[in-house]
Amino acid sequence: GESVGLHLPTLSVQEGDNSIINCAYSNSASDYFIWYKQESGKGPQFIIDIRSNMDKRQGQRVTVLLNKTVKHLSLQIAATQPGDSAVYFCAERDTDKLIFGTGTRLQVFP
Amino acid sequence: NAGVTQTPKFQVLKTGQSMTLQCAQDMNHEYMSWYRQDPGMGLRLIHYSVGAGITDQGEVPNGYNVSRSTTEDFPLRLLSAAPSQTSVYFCASSSTPAAGPFRGGPSSYEQYFGPGTRLTVT
Repeated sequence: GESVGLHLPTLSVQEGDNSIINCAYSNSASDYFIWYKQESGKGPQFIIDIRSNMDKRQGQRVTVLLNKTVKHLSLQIAATQPGDSAVYFCAERDTDKLIFGTGTRLQVFP
Repeated sequence: NAGVTQTPKFQVLKTGQSMTLQCAQDMNHEYMSWYRQDPGMGLRLIHYSVGAGITDQGEVPNGYNVSRSTTEDFPLRLLSAAPSQTSVYFCASSSTPAAGPFRGGPSSYEQYFGPGTRLTVT
């Protein structure tokens, strides 16, 4: 069936650097995507979303890029901070539900 | 405004026991859902509800029952617990269901998650 996956299970970055977390999706009909952040022991927290009629959307320190040609989604975090350490999930809207990827762990070191 | 609350936070069951995981939200959201999260796997949808009195199955519904008698509450019942149901369970709510045409603002499909229930079945 259709699925959402991530290229890298763990990403380590130095504090202050920019982070890029990638996500590949397989359902070309998906029209909406979300990025979530999950800290240890907590539920997922919404970061940013994007509709398929857009290719870029910016939030506070975060940018989501959507490349429908290659079915690729990325989350860019500017000036990564220790508080950004978490697992990041992408999700796509599949007809009537959200399908989540397996997650990428972001580790920030000083 | 407490958001989405879940009880209990931790639970240990023996195989064959039954229990109910509670979920409540105070945001007047129509759409609620239950997910399970297992190591190395993404969140998987168990059941969801698009409003009081309406429920539907998600990706992994077997072994679980739900009901939605009020807008606020969406309990998940395990009728006969099995070790395969050992997992972390998350309840979520949103103002609009994931289905259908886009409605509202850019983040109208944002789902608010509860803190989770860690269930172990021995």
